[in-house]
Amino acid sequence: GAVVSQHPSWVICKSGTSVKIECRSLDFQATTMFWYRQFPKQSLMLMATSNEGSKATYEQGVEKDKFLINHASLTLSTLTVTSAHPEDSSFYICSGGRDSVYEQYFGPGTRLTVT
Amino acid sequence: RKEVEQDPGPFNVPEGATVAFNCTYSNSASQSFFWYRQDCRKEPKLLMSVYSSGNEDGRFTAQLNRASQYISLLIRDSKLSDSATYLCVVRMNTGFQKLVFGTGTRLLVSP
Repeated sequence: GAVVSQHPSWVICKSGTSVKIECRSLDFQATTMFWYRQFPKQSLMLMATSNEGSKATYEQGVEKDKFLINHASLTLSTLTVTSAHPEDSSFYICSGGRDSVYEQYFGPGTRLTVT
Repeated sequence: RKEVEQDPGPFNVPEGATVAFNCTYSNSASQSFFWYRQDCRKEPKLLMSVYSSGNEDGRFTAQLNRASQYISLLIRDSKLSDSATYLCVVRMNTGFQKLVFGTGTRLLVSP
């Protein structure tokens, strides 16, 4: 199966700082990448969808200026949480999809704690 | 109303038991259906797709009723290793084929 990695796996940062999370497809080209957020005991919620080389499409209620997404290549997408606040503490998961295959391949997730 | 609804559980069952999970979805434009498994603090992993004709994979059987917008998962002969949260997932018929996740049903299998 296709493998997606995320880095870091967990991060603690202070309120007001920015954090960058990387998502890489290791053995396939991810033409589309998805970013999800999961709060405790809640479902995964799609934050945004990005295609390589174009701007991300954000879901309703997700601030695009706070959650910066870059999909510069077919194997790398980054999510930057700017001016993080404690309420941004969550489990962030990315997934990659290929053009002709509808399945999404999930990364292992990044646990963000903002103090 | 949530797009995908599940009973959060937990379902506590002994080893060897049969357990069934249900899920309903609200958007009739939903295109594809899946069950994922998520272990604590891990990413979701695809368990199986769900087809209208029903499909089986070992001890797992999934059913879809499009008319009722209802999806089910049956686990037979439960193992301790089946303990996890089971997510009902729907793919929308939109440009990016996005996935919509239910909150999940937690299963605890005890010895």
